[in-house]
Amino acid sequence: QQKVQQSPESLIVPEGAMTSLNCTFSDSASQYFAWYRQHSGKAPKALMSIFSNGEKEEGRFTIHLNKASLHFSLHIRDSQPSDSALYLCAVRYQGGRALIFGTGTTVSVSP
Amino acid sequence: EAAVTQSPRSKVAVTGGKVTLSCHQTNNHDYMYWYRQDTGHGLRLIHYSYVADSTEKGDIPDGYKASRPSQENFSLILELASLSQTAVYFCASSVTANSDYTFGSGTRLLVI
Repeated sequence: QQKVQQSPESLIVPEGAMTSLNCTFSDSASQYFAWYRQHSGKAPKALMSIFSNGEKEEGRFTIHLNKASLHFSLHIRDSQPSDSALYLCAVRYQGGRALIFGTGTTVSVSP
Repeated sequence: EAAVTQSPRSKVAVTGGKVTLSCHQTNNHDYMYWYRQDTGHGLRLIHYSYVADSTEKGDIPDGYKASRPSQENFSLILELASLSQTAVYFCASSVTANSDYTFGSGTRLLVI
């Protein structure tokens, strides 16, 4: 059973600072990588996804992927209190047809 | 607007009883999924389906059955509910295995 690990489990970030979240996976042949955000009591919503090594930026959000090091990350620039949520990374392993999610990182942005 | 509707929103079930959770999507998506989420934790895959009348086991299928009678509907069945199945259950759909998931609002299940 493939696993996806996230770090840290939780963090507190001052408003306006950069938030950096990490995700590791176990197979460099994995094919699809995504980040989801879940506000308290709500459904998860897709944030960003990436297929190949490199960087992708959308607004305040940047995703980095390095398959060789089995690592991808999410960076949130100019963090806002509305960014306070549970962040879930997810991987589709080669041969799999569904996303495997990590255990999540709880982010609190303090005003 | 793409939508995934789950019912019921919450349920209290008795240990040993049968529970059916329903999911309906209007997205015209082929892929549908059932995940469970325990308090403050990530999502664990129970069952999924990529075509009507066929389901696949996920990472934690024991104690759960799934049914996909049509493209729009996907049910999760707990034949003999147990205390350990208390959780929030999310249904999701996607166009392909590599596309964004649209999640339903979740069903909060309490087994007593």
